[in-house]
This record gives sequence, C-alpha cells and structure tokens, in this order.
Amino acid sequence: EAQVTQNPRYLITVTGKKLTVTCSQNMNHEYMSWYRQDPGLGLRQIYYSMNVEVTDKGDVPEGYKVSRKEKRNFPLILESPSPNQTSLYFCASSLTGPSYEQYFGPGTRLTVT
Amino acid sequence: DQQVKQNSPSLSVQEGRISILNCDYTNSMFDYFLWYKKYPAEGPTFLISISSIKDKNEDGRFTVFLNKSAKHLSLHIVPSQPGDSAVYFCAASDVNRDDKIIFGKGTRLHILP
Repeated sequence: EAQVTQNPRYLITVTGKKLTVTCSQNMNHEYMSWYRQDPGLGLRQIYYSMNVEVTDKGDVPEGYKVSRKEKRNFPLILESPSPNQTSLYFCASSLTGPSYEQYFGPGTRLTVT
Repeated sequence: DQQVKQNSPSLSVQEGRISILNCDYTNSMFDYFLWYKKYPAEGPTFLISISSIKDKNEDGRFTVFLNKSAKHLSLHIVPSQPGDSAVYFCAASDVNRDDKIIFGKGTRLHILP
C-alpha cells in the first residue's frame, strides 16, 4: 500500500531535549516536505527536499533541521525544542514537486513543556 | 504577509446544494494551484489542481475555477454530500522560481442534512 508513515504519532517532551520525528515513504517519490499546522494559521511549510542530499527552507524553518540521506526517509530534527514548537506536524511526499499531488502522513502531535 | 488567503473560516451548506469555497492570492507568479481536503485526525488528501494556463478543471463533483486577473480561485462541489464535511486548504506554488508551496488557512465546510 502506498503510504507515508510518521513516528511517533504523539510526543510530549520538555524544553531543550533534542528529538527526531521520522518520516518514510514507499512510493519512490523525489519530493518530500514537512509542515506544521496551528490553529488559525493553516499549514506552513518548514523544509522540503527535491531529492537525496538536496534540502531547502520553507516558510518557517527556524528551530528545525532535516536531512535526506536516502530517498525514502526525511526526518525532522528539533535540536532544542521550545514551547512555541508545540504543534501538529505533517510529512508529505510527491512524485517530483509541489505542483504534483502530495501524499501526507497521519501527523505527529508534539507538545513541548 | 499572507500570500494565499481563504477569507471564510467556515461555511455551512445544505446537502445536495452547491458548495463554493474561495481562495485569493497576491503573488502573480504563482503558476500552480491545488486544493486539499482534511478530516480530523488525518493528514490532508489531494482533491484537485489547476495550472495557470487553464481557467477551469473538473473532476467528478469537484470543479476548480481560476481567474488570474482577479488572482482568485474557487472550488465548487456539486452536489454537496455529508462526506464533504471537512477542512479545505487552497495552496499555490511558483515552480519556475522554487519548490515551495504556500497554503491558505483553510475553510471548514459543514454539510447540513
């Protein structure tokens, strides 16, 4: 089954404790992206990747890092999480870019206290 | 500065009638527009898209209209069904410039029985 998986689905952590949210797709897609969804703000792009070893900033990249060492995986790293990063995070992938249909993961709800 | 605006946070429509969701954008360089639908506790799913070289695209009950001079697009759902109750996000990209995508804040559609 074609899918995007994210782990963990829920995470409660404390300020400053490094964490990684994993994202994996099984569709051989070149484009992968991370978004955060906040009430009243919609979906905002954090980082995206056009292919292996190619990553670029979206609209809200501050406080986040990503890597794309393999085509299928695109982890989101919070080196020092802060309460303003409490949010619902979505990973997505598409064939070649944002103008193509993106497949979204189920979401990761992160709470930073 | 919001580049993609969905000015109606919510909309209620009687089952069987037409639902019209609106989206305005400010960046005249956007050349691809997409609509995504989101149910609670799930990731968004792609609905329909339109390139800037077209002014209309249809897929079953869903039609997207693009008015470039007004920088406005709309999604029409005919006839509306209970399963259409969801949050709808409009998104835009300028694929000639970079591979970012900008989402609106979303419109919550309620289909009334």
